[in-house]
Amino acid sequence: DAGITQSPRHKVTETGTPVTLRCHQTENHRYMYWYRQDPGHGLRLIHYSYGVKDTDKGEVSDGYSVSRSKTEDFLLTLESATSSQTSVYFCANGQSHSGTIYFGEGSWLTVV
Amino acid sequence: QQPVQSPQAVILREGEDAVINCSSSKALYSVHWYRQKHGEAPVFLMILLKGGEQKGHDKISASFNEKKQQSSLYLTASQLSYSGTYFCGTGEIKAAGNKLTFGGGTRVLVKP
Repeated sequence: DAGITQSPRHKVTETGTPVTLRCHQTENHRYMYWYRQDPGHGLRLIHYSYGVKDTDKGEVSDGYSVSRSKTEDFLLTLESATSSQTSVYFCANGQSHSGTIYFGEGSWLTVV
Repeated sequence: QQPVQSPQAVILREGEDAVINCSSSKALYSVHWYRQKHGEAPVFLMILLKGGEQKGHDKISASFNEKKQQSSLYLTASQLSYSGTYFCGTGEIKAAGNKLTFGGGTRVLVKP
């Protein structure tokens, strides 16, 4: 069990506006991730964190930033939302370097 | 570069068997299998670490051939509940932070 709560679960926003998605975990896991899922592309890593204030880019990081000021919270920010960022966003966490990761319930974002 | 899954889709009758393959061009440390139902988060099934081990979960099992960088997921005597999209996630030997790269998914439909 991931022990992850994502918020908001559903959001519609306008092009050009900033958006922040929140991921909160109760498991105190070291690693946290943000993935996006689009038809035909599977799950693609946006950013990940390996500790408080330690973050790094994934394969599709352009247009996104993250912050992790506490172990339990990992925020994903779209600085200026575009229609191409319409997607389902999944937060995930993992305990060890070689262990598996567990996903939250997802956040559906529509940019109009 | 994401791993390649095959087939992209499979339709089964209840009780039939199926094999899903996952192939990577990178040196792998681990392969993780997930199943996702429509509108839900991916759910962890099993993890295989390098060493060619095979694991099972009920009537779903998997193998990992580290020399070929390939993993196969075996659905035996399929049940209606096995329907969904199956993803493999691969962990590379030299990757930091336990990042997983996911394949494009295999859609499985089990009919009565």
